Amino acid sequence: GAVVSQHPSWVICKSGTSVKIECRSLDFQATTMFWYRQFPKQSLMLMATSNEGSKATYEQGVEKDKFLINHASLTLSTLTVTSAHPEDSSFYICSARDLTVAKNIQYFGAGTRLSVL
Amino acid sequence: QQQVKQSPQSLIVQKGGISIINCAYENTAFDYFPWYQQFPGKGPALLIAIRPDVSEKKEGRFTISFNKSAKQFSLHIMDSQPGDSATYFCAASMNPTSGSRLTFGEGTQLTVNP
Repeated sequence: GAVVSQHPSWVICKSGTSVKIECRSLDFQATTMFWYRQFPKQSLMLMATSNEGSKATYEQGVEKDKFLINHASLTLSTLTVTSAHPEDSSFYICSARDLTVAKNIQYFGAGTRLSVL
Repeated sequence: QQQVKQSPQSLIVQKGGISIINCAYENTAFDYFPWYQQFPGKGPALLIAIRPDVSEKKEGRFTISFNKSAKQFSLHIMDSQPGDSATYFCAASMNPTSGSRLTFGEGTQLTVNP
């Protein structure tokens, strides 16, 4: 199956700093990538949809100035959590849709555990 | 109308038994129904998926049953194994040209006892 690589897998940062998370599709091109947030024992919450070469579409309630998304190429999308605070601590997961397959399949990264001190 | 309801929230099954997880949806525009398996600290992995034009799809020990008229679909895990212990999410999405965003169910934590 297609592989989506997400880095880092775990990051600890001080309150007020910014953290960048990378999401790469390793063996396929993805015009669309998705960013999710997941709290313990809860489902995935879509934060934004990232389209290559255009601005991301954010879900209602998600601060676009806090969660900066860049999708500069067909294989890379980044999520930057700016001025992170303890309440931003969570599990962030990206996914990518394989546009070469006539199916609506999303492949997920392994996730990034963010802990803000 | 965008919700996908999943049950049960948790499930305990003995090794060798059948695990059954159910999902229901409202939006008739959904046309793709995947199931994802997630282990602690990992991202979800696609397990099996179905489209509304078939009523059942089987891959190994995993089977999806789909009831279009009832707007329900379920995952059956035959001969459940301790290694199947994980959280399972059903999901639904519309045609890719509509954005292809996934709507997830609430998740089911499956425990398979040895």
